[in-house]
Amino acid sequence: NAGVMQNPRHLVRRRGQEARLRCSPVKGHSHVYWYRQLPEEGLKFMVYLQKENIIDESGMPKERFSAEFPKEGPSILRIQQVVRGDSAAYFCASSPGFPDGYTFGSGTRLTVV
Amino acid sequence: DQQVKQNSPSLSVQEGRISILNCDYTNSMFDYFLWYKKYPAEGPTFLISISSIKDKNEDGRFTVFLNKSAKHLSLHIVPSQPGDSAVYFCAASARGAGNMLTFGGGTRLMVKP
Repeated sequence: NAGVMQNPRHLVRRRGQEARLRCSPVKGHSHVYWYRQLPEEGLKFMVYLQKENIIDESGMPKERFSAEFPKEGPSILRIQQVVRGDSAAYFCASSPGFPDGYTFGSGTRLTVV
Repeated sequence: DQQVKQNSPSLSVQEGRISILNCDYTNSMFDYFLWYKKYPAEGPTFLISISSIKDKNEDGRFTVFLNKSAKHLSLHIVPSQPGDSAVYFCAASARGAGNMLTFGGGTRLMVKP
């Protein structure tokens, strides 16, 4: 009974490259959330997705960032043309539909050099 | 604008004593509150929650108190143990917001043996 699986755990990208972060939710969970944690800061909401739909992307920058949760396969957070300020830990969480059921993955630590 | 605030970035407590972590919120639409615990290099894990219809919820050594009029909640850990040393995040959710959680900035608890 695997929890939320995120990969890779660590990702290093040069400025201008693309970063793709993957998240496989808990089996049976249809709600996926992405959060970002900048150094020495709390968790900031980015985007909330259900299968094939973006429900709320109010926390995601309009430029360079996109997210998807296809019918089959993991949820993907894509960052194009990365900049140093994108360096952070990106956490994915899944839920069956109520707050208590939120389960977080171990995160992907993105470093932009 | 931070809707959920944890004003103490760190707290140091002696083993066996009580740890009290505080959280304030501004959004009166929040009706469900949660505490998460986070170890380094891991994702947050759910600790305890409380609905706005209650003012107290207890689970073993952990008790959460909610003061709706003051828009304040607190987490009490009694007795504190060295293994409790971690970062604690307060989070809040509003009905109809898709279970999206808004997090505070976190409080780093250090329990000294």
